[in-house]
Amino acid sequence: QVQLVESGGGVVHPERSLRLSCVASGFTFNKHGIHWVRQAPGKGLEWVAVIWYDGIYKYYGDSVKGRFTISRDNSKNAVYLQMDSLTTDDTATYYCARDRRASYAEAIDFWGQGTLVIVSS
Amino acid sequence: IQMTQSPSSLSASVGDRVTITCRASQGIRNELAWYQQKPGSAPNLLIFGASTLQSGVPSRFSGSGSGTDFTLTISSLQPEDFATYYCQNYNSAPQISFGQGTRLEIK
Repeated sequence: QVQLVESGGGVVHPERSLRLSCVASGFTFNKHGIHWVRQAPGKGLEWVAVIWYDGIYKYYGDSVKGRFTISRDNSKNAVYLQMDSLTTDDTATYYCARDRRASYAEAIDFWGQGTLVIVSS
Repeated sequence: IQMTQSPSSLSASVGDRVTITCRASQGIRNELAWYQQKPGSAPNLLIFGASTLQSGVPSRFSGSGSGTDFTLTISSLQPEDFATYYCQNYNSAPQISFGQGTRLEIK
């Protein structure tokens, strides 16, 4: 069965960095784009970034552009989110999620369980 | 593209027919998905392409619309349907955007 398992969340001070990981199993990893979507406590869903199947094309939401970097290693079935210059507004549960398509973006058909990031001094 | 859901919250009873609306700030053809999210869990895909039911989703869920106006309908509410529902636009792909959510509560 399809599984996406995130790790790397925790408590971090403002202006510091954190790297999230997502390891996938149960499907052909290099045939799907992967998103990061976040959800602040008690709030709605916010799209963060997407990386296409080949790792070449990457796109970001306006609130994280220039601070976050998405990458993938298809040999390890893994996707990463490097988060720099963190602010308290980045506090959220971060979900790794599979797109139905390999490129561009469409609907998200599988989600991980999420990893919580708390930015606090 | 801004996605606006209405209502923001809704109270209904088991067996009721419920409709949630999602409006796009500009036309997005049929490039819209709907998700259900229960507290403490990740979202779950219900519908994509505005009206195509995802595999395994009960047939009481249906979607319709095209352009700027879309609806998610639950024909007969079951106890497990009380959750928050989100629409998502992918016409602006590779960027995507979500509506603000509609919380469906038990009356």
